[in-house]
Amino acid sequence: AQTVTQSQPEMSVQEAETVTLSCTYDTSESDYYLFWYKQPPSRQMILVIRQEAYKQQNATENRFSVNFQKAAKSFSLKISDSQLGDAAMYFCALTGNQFYFGTGTSLTVIP
Amino acid sequence: DVKVTQSSRYLVKRTGEKVFLECVQDMDHENMFWYRQDPGLGLRLIYFSYDVKMKEKGDIPEGYSVSREKKERFSLILESASTNQTSMYLCASSLYTAFSAGYTFGSGTRLTVV
Repeated sequence: AQTVTQSQPEMSVQEAETVTLSCTYDTSESDYYLFWYKQPPSRQMILVIRQEAYKQQNATENRFSVNFQKAAKSFSLKISDSQLGDAAMYFCALTGNQFYFGTGTSLTVIP
Repeated sequence: DVKVTQSSRYLVKRTGEKVFLECVQDMDHENMFWYRQDPGLGLRLIYFSYDVKMKEKGDIPEGYSVSREKKERFSLILESASTNQTSMYLCASSLYTAFSAGYTFGSGTRLTVV
């Protein structure tokens, strides 16, 4: 069975600083995708970044990057130069025969 | 941009009522999903559909049913609403069953059952 674990229910970061959100997962599949979604107070889930498991290169989208450690089944999200608009709930997700979501990390950005 | 529209942002219903939550997507996606979101539990899959008139149970289908008469519309039905169904409900769609492109989500319906 596929599982996704986010062990940090809440995190905070000073504006302009860097923060890393953790995610570990378990799957028996050899080919899968990993995602980070952001849910701001508006509730609209937004895709932040996507990683294909067969690619060793870590995905990057502007200030967002991942550290994908396939052997360790770890998929952390790094947010650089944090902005007030980054404050949101962040969900890690894994594909299988459906999407499997973690329980989320609530990120607060301190001005 | 693909849009997934949930008809109601907030709903308040009484215990025992039959409740319909509607979801419409405008990009011809085959796959549609209903999740409920609760604090500390993340998103849990209720039902999903890979095609018109097709439905599959997710992880927590009890107390719910679904209808997909047209490709673009996927309805979640609470046959007899109960207070433990108070939650945020999210609809999502995707083009490929491999989910490689990810989901597109609606903006959620916050349902309160009193």
